Amino acid sequence: EPEVTQTPSHQVTQMGQEVILRCVPISNHLYFYWYRQILGQKVEFLVSFYNNEISEKSEIFDDQFSVERPDGSNFTLKIRSTKLEDSAMYFCASSPGRMNQPQHFGDGTRLSIL
Amino acid sequence: AQKITQTQPGMFVQEKEAVTLDCTYDTSDPSYGLFWYKQPSSGEMIFLIYQGSYDQQNATEGRYSLNFQKARKSANLVISASQLGDSAMYFCAMCPQTSYDKVIFGPGTSLSVIP
Repeated sequence: EPEVTQTPSHQVTQMGQEVILRCVPISNHLYFYWYRQILGQKVEFLVSFYNNEISEKSEIFDDQFSVERPDGSNFTLKIRSTKLEDSAMYFCASSPGRMNQPQHFGDGTRLSIL
Repeated sequence: AQKITQTQPGMFVQEKEAVTLDCTYDTSDPSYGLFWYKQPSSGEMIFLIYQGSYDQQNATEGRYSLNFQKARKSANLVISASQLGDSAMYFCAMCPQTSYDKVIFGPGTSLSVIP
């Protein structure tokens, strides 16, 4: 069964450094998403992406964050100048459509900021 | 306000028994989708089951079924014949019409299956 893949599984970064989290969505999916889950807390929506542009973003997704689909398969989340509070599990998801279509999640990248 | 409530922070069930995980939601949108996801201790998020607000029948997927009561705004997950591998965190989630891109998650219920 096709799946969303995320790399790396664990990223450790010094505070203030830039980090890029990578995702390969399911190949025939058109909608892509990033979520984060701070340890012990619920999953929070960050951003959705369709047709090479952001379709929706949350208040968490400030100027520190950016997303890109650099080629036909990868979908990346960049965090500039990381802060301690950026430490979390970051999930990429994709779906074939918007209307009542389940989003399929990757295994996540655990980001630890030191 | 769009919100998901899961009132059971932790649940225990005997292996091979059935268990119901509660979920209530709040939305004024006439159309929405409801989902359940499973998160094992390894951290990945696994899609289990989906229910559309206009679906006439309750969704079923193998050992998982969704007890959808629209008037009560509840979407409880029923797991039949529990297995040790069912021990995990379970999240109820909603996708409202006004924001189909954004899945709103509940706080989760931790399920432990006892041998």
